[in-house]
Amino acid sequence: GQNIDQPTEMTATEGAIVQINCTYQTSGFNGLFWYQQHAGEAPTFLSYNVLDGLEEKGRFSSFLSRSKGYSYLLLKELQMKDSASYLCASMDSNYQLIWGAGTKLIIKP
Amino acid sequence: SQTIHQWPATLVQPVGSPLSLECTVEGTSNPNLYWYRQAAGRGLQLLFYSVGIGQISSEVPQNLSASRPQDRQFILSSKKLLLSDSGFYLCAWSALSDGANVLTFGAGSRLTVL
Repeated sequence: GQNIDQPTEMTATEGAIVQINCTYQTSGFNGLFWYQQHAGEAPTFLSYNVLDGLEEKGRFSSFLSRSKGYSYLLLKELQMKDSASYLCASMDSNYQLIWGAGTKLIIKP
Repeated sequence: SQTIHQWPATLVQPVGSPLSLECTVEGTSNPNLYWYRQAAGRGLQLLFYSVGIGQISSEVPQNLSASRPQDRQFILSSKKLLLSDSGFYLCAWSALSDGANVLTFGAGSRLTVL
């Protein structure tokens, strides 16, 4: 079956660094996505990885290891506005997205 | 630039009543269109997607239906709502030419069935 696993909730301190992990098992693989979703709002696109390695985009970076079925989202210099849920999604061989349940990130001052 | 509009934002409906959620996209042609449902503590569930006018693929059997009467309009409907239909409904679009298939979501519609 197809499955995405990510932690339910994480807590971090303002100004610190946090890493949100995601493991995936999908029928085929056409890329790994991270989306940010603030409470009560729609998800917004953060990153897309299709090749192994680290993609850096400002304070956010995303890593992919296809052989391990593993990705992480790294958030640096955390700000209070980063408090949100982070959704991991894998695109399968039919180009359909399989979504994780999301990781709720709580930032404390 | 492209924008996506979804309405209504919130809806409270009695069991057995009909439903109509609308979504329109501006600034692009022939988009892929999607309806998702998000339940608390669960991943986004794809309900329907469409690659063109009148072309609808259903992912999950349910009492919901979708229609695409125009290129940039996507409608989610039900004839008789169930309690289990409560949830946060999201419309999304992606560009046909985008190999990465990045989704842009509407603001969402929160449906409560009583």
